[in-house]
Amino acid sequence: AQSVTQLDSQVPVFEEAPVELRCNYSSSVSVYLFWYVQYPNQGLQLLLKYLSGSTLVKGINGFEAEFNKSQTSFHLRKPSVHISDTAEYFCAVRRPTGNQFYFGTGTSLTVIP
Amino acid sequence: NAGVMQNPRHLVRRRGQEARLRCSPMKGHSHVYWYRQLPEEGLKFMVYLQKENIIDESGMPKERFSAEFPKEGPSILRIQQVVRGDSAAYFCASSPGAGVKIYEQYFGPGTRLTVT
Repeated sequence: AQSVTQLDSQVPVFEEAPVELRCNYSSSVSVYLFWYVQYPNQGLQLLLKYLSGSTLVKGINGFEAEFNKSQTSFHLRKPSVHISDTAEYFCAVRRPTGNQFYFGTGTSLTVIP
Repeated sequence: NAGVMQNPRHLVRRRGQEARLRCSPMKGHSHVYWYRQLPEEGLKFMVYLQKENIIDESGMPKERFSAEFPKEGPSILRIQQVVRGDSAAYFCASSPGAGVKIYEQYFGPGTRLTVT
């Protein structure tokens, strides 16, 4: 089974400041990588995904993530956050040949005015 | 184009009762995932279904839990004889199951089950 580690359970950041949410996974084989956002009382929404190709992936709402195979990481970044970015963020992995998505425990991002 | 629909949004059951959670996937999607989210935890995979077929149920508890996705109608997650530990948010996600978006999931708003 895969494991996904999101080291930071809570990240407070001031409005318009940059943010990085960390995600590490355990796998010696290739995986597909995803970031999802969850607003209160809602389902998860896909922010971005990495399947292959360029290691820098751009997603919605100005977010991007970089796949680093040697460090087995897929950190999420945004150069300038808005109040509306306050939400829970989940990293997920899936093996190309498998059916399951494995999720991290989430990072709660709070943007402070 | 309606998204993934789940009902009910909130469900309260007493210990020992049955809970039935419904999920209607996006139009054109033939695959459904069910996940459970406990407080302060991420989503845990439960089961992956195609219409009339269970593809992967390795995340389902061995007893009391079952899922189906009939040819017509919504997918149903059924929990028999609920216990307090079943209290959680249950999310359904649908997928086209094929094509370039095969690895994308579209989540419903979830059903929050409370067992009293």
